[in-house]
Amino acid sequence: NAGVMQNPRHLVRRRGQEARLRCSPMKGHSHVYWYRQLPEEGLKFMVYLQKENIIDESGMPKERFSAEFPKEGPSILRIQQVVRGDSAAYFCASSSQDRGNEQFFGPGTRLTVL
Amino acid sequence: AQSVTQPDIHITVSEGASLELRCNYSYGATPYLFWYVQSPGQGLQLLLKYFSGDTLVQGIKGFEAEFKRSQSSFNLRKPSVHWSDAAEYFCAVGANAGGTSYGKLTFGQGTILTVHP
Repeated sequence: NAGVMQNPRHLVRRRGQEARLRCSPMKGHSHVYWYRQLPEEGLKFMVYLQKENIIDESGMPKERFSAEFPKEGPSILRIQQVVRGDSAAYFCASSSQDRGNEQFFGPGTRLTVL
Repeated sequence: AQSVTQPDIHITVSEGASLELRCNYSYGATPYLFWYVQSPGQGLQLLLKYFSGDTLVQGIKGFEAEFKRSQSSFNLRKPSVHWSDAAEYFCAVGANAGGTSYGKLTFGQGTILTVHP
């Protein structure tokens, strides 16, 4: 059973470009969470999604950031017009419906904004 | 709002010595509690979790943690540290919303463990 998969593992963007981060949850998992880890900091919750629904986006910046988890395909975290402060590691986690708090993490995508 | 404090940013121990990493949480009810480990450039691996029941929980790699409600703590322990335990450790709290699935985790700042030979 493959774990949570994220791609790309490393992403370099110039200021003003768009970044798209993908997350495929573990097989059988219908809940996806995105977290951001800034240098020298712990992980901060961004958004919680179920298939075709955003459940909680209280940690998501109001502008430039969006997330989706379509019926088919991976979850996507999209950052428009990236700035240097967006440089961070972005982690995706997934859980099954009946074990909502037991989350399994992917390897992360490390975004560098030049 | 829930919060987690890991008072020690960096801990150094000798191989074979015992280890205790501290974690204090703030939450209005009995929380779900977790310890994760992160090696450099890697994702997070779950070491152990507390949902309910026995307050002393056993995890992988010889780790254990004890939930103490009176102290709002969930300290991680290992009796004898191995060099391969060097990593960063994160304590996290999740909402216990009456058993319903609600997954937001709040993490502490992390404790970096260095192991001397």
